[in-house]
Amino acid sequence: NAGVTQTPKFQVLKTGQSMTLQCAQDMNHEYMSWYRQDPGMGLRLIHYSVGAGITDQGEVPNGYNVSRSTTEDFPLRLLSAAPSQTSVYFCASRVQANQPQHFGDGTRLSIL
Amino acid sequence: AQSVTQPDIHITVSEGASLELRCNYSYGATPYLFWYVQSPGQGLQLLLKYFSGDTLVQGIKGFEAEFKRSQSSFNLRKPSVHWSDAAEYFCAVGPYGGATNKLIFGTGTLLAVQP
Repeated sequence: NAGVTQTPKFQVLKTGQSMTLQCAQDMNHEYMSWYRQDPGMGLRLIHYSVGAGITDQGEVPNGYNVSRSTTEDFPLRLLSAAPSQTSVYFCASRVQANQPQHFGDGTRLSIL
Repeated sequence: AQSVTQPDIHITVSEGASLELRCNYSYGATPYLFWYVQSPGQGLQLLLKYFSGDTLVQGIKGFEAEFKRSQSSFNLRKPSVHWSDAAEYFCAVGPYGGATNKLIFGTGTLLAVQP
């Protein structure tokens, strides 16, 4: 039972590079989200999806793109990495809106 | 505006002592409330949730929380803390906004357990 799988676990980028953080879930959940976690700020929602083909912005969407071509996958793209995007990124999924979220183990991203 | 406040950034308790972590929220409707725990280097694990009904909810690992509407609070408690409970704890409320997928998280309380 894999749950929510995030890859890679760690990544170091240079400013201006692009990268895709992968997220996959095997629970057939319709709802998926990306959060970033920064010290003293809790988790902040970047983008979310309520089903394949449907995405929307969260609190801090600037600098990130998402797509949802399948139910299972919800990749997060950084088109031109900036040091301010150094953070820990969590992907989460849930079966419906009023159910708890299942989180992946996170991707620790450093932008130099 | 909707918000979640965890007033204690860092708490230290002795093993075997009781624990209460505070969570206050601001929300325009009846909220869904959650407590999550995060161990170092790990994702978030759900401890318990409140949707409706009995205001005292039981969770995993011996934790419980009480929803108090009059105080806009959802404090997490445990009668006897174990060393393995050392972690960061997040309170969350939702859903909010036009879409039903949004949760608001507090900034977390880091729990240290002394032997």
